[in-house]
Amino acid sequence: QKEVEQNSGPLSVPEGAIASLNCTYSDRGSQSFFWYRQYSGKSPELIMSIYSNGDKEDGRFTAQLNKASQYVSLLIRDSQPSDSATYLCAFMNYGGSQGNLIFGKGTKLSVKP
Amino acid sequence: ETGVTQTPRHLVMGMTNKKSLKCEQHLGHNAMYWYKQSAKKPLELMFVYNFKEQTENNSVPSRFSPECPNSSHLFLHLHTLQPEDSALYLCASSQVWPGIEAFFGQGTRLTVV
Repeated sequence: QKEVEQNSGPLSVPEGAIASLNCTYSDRGSQSFFWYRQYSGKSPELIMSIYSNGDKEDGRFTAQLNKASQYVSLLIRDSQPSDSATYLCAFMNYGGSQGNLIFGKGTKLSVKP
Repeated sequence: ETGVTQTPRHLVMGMTNKKSLKCEQHLGHNAMYWYKQSAKKPLELMFVYNFKEQTENNSVPSRFSPECPNSSHLFLHLHTLQPEDSALYLCASSQVWPGIEAFFGQGTRLTVV
């Protein structure tokens, strides 16, 4: 069973701090990793994708991937109250269910003003 | 007009009812998906359609019946559901399958009584 593990939170950080969200995955053959943001009552929205080891930066967001440790993280710099949401980690499963996204349960982030 | 539109947004149905969920995408995509999101569980893939052909049925009970008349429309027909089927049902689309970036609709909040 291919799985994604995330701390469900809630993770609470003060405004302006760095929020660090972590995720581990079970499928060593996975090549593609994604972070989705889901506001309460809304649909998931893709915010970051990462395919190779190292860091990928996009504005205030940095995704980090370590395939050897099967670990992916999302850093949010200068956190804002508008970043309060549930963050879903996902990887692309190229195995038996070829080409489908496998999601974690999500980490709820709360940014306090 | 949003990219992926789902109707209805909320649905309450009895266990003996028959109802249908509708999804329409205006993105010119060729792959469409149904996901189920339950409280405290990861997003679960239910069905995948690629160019109107079903490519994935993720061991979904037969009381859920999908229909994809064309690449822009996707239905989920529901009959004799159980209370544990209450969840948020999300439709998504991507350019092709396997798809890297999936765009989600707002979801239908289903309650089975």
